[in-house]
Amino acid sequence: GENVEQHPSTLSVQEGDSAVIKCTYSDSASNYFPWYKQELGKRPQLIIDIRSNVGEKKDQRIAVTLNKTAKHFSLHITETQPEDSAVYFCAARTGGGNKLTFGTGTQLKVEL
Amino acid sequence: NAGVTQTPKFQVLKTGQSMTLQCAQDMNHNSMYWYRQDPGMGLRLIYYSASEGTTDKGEVPNGYNVSRLNKREFSLRLESAAPSQTSVYFCASGGQGAIGEAFFGQGTRLTVV
Repeated sequence: GENVEQHPSTLSVQEGDSAVIKCTYSDSASNYFPWYKQELGKRPQLIIDIRSNVGEKKDQRIAVTLNKTAKHFSLHITETQPEDSAVYFCAARTGGGNKLTFGTGTQLKVEL
Repeated sequence: NAGVTQTPKFQVLKTGQSMTLQCAQDMNHNSMYWYRQDPGMGLRLIYYSASEGTTDKGEVPNGYNVSRLNKREFSLRLESAAPSQTSVYFCASGGQGAIGEAFFGQGTRLTVV
């Protein structure tokens, strides 16, 4: 089955710096890669996603890149702000069975 | 539009008791999921249902059963609760292959004593 690994588990940056979170997946049949943000005590919410036929996608300060050959994808946050502090999860969904598997999460802390 | 609704929000069980977590969505999604969230472990998939009438095991199915009652509802049952099942449980729905995001319910915080 699909296995998604996520690194780092914690990340601390200064306000205004960039943050990068990396994930790898194992199932070559996976074709959809979302990223979720979870604030303390709340439900995960989608912030950006990418499909397997796209290499990069950007939405304001957030971007995701996908390398299908290497089976890894990354989240990039530029000009970080204190409100970016949260836990971020990557995930991969298989095309056939629709199984959605998550990574173990990254606790991002943006310090003033 | 309520999205994904889970009940209850909080529950305390004694070891050996049973209970059912309810989940309903009003977005006409085919796919529904149950996850558990433990510190440092991320969101681990318990069971999922790709469409009405089908269910499949995820990473951690032991001790749980599910029912996809109809397209809207996907319930999770603990037949004999154990302290190791203390966790936050999330139901999610949505997405098909490379299309569409999954939306989460508000979560159920379950404590087994």
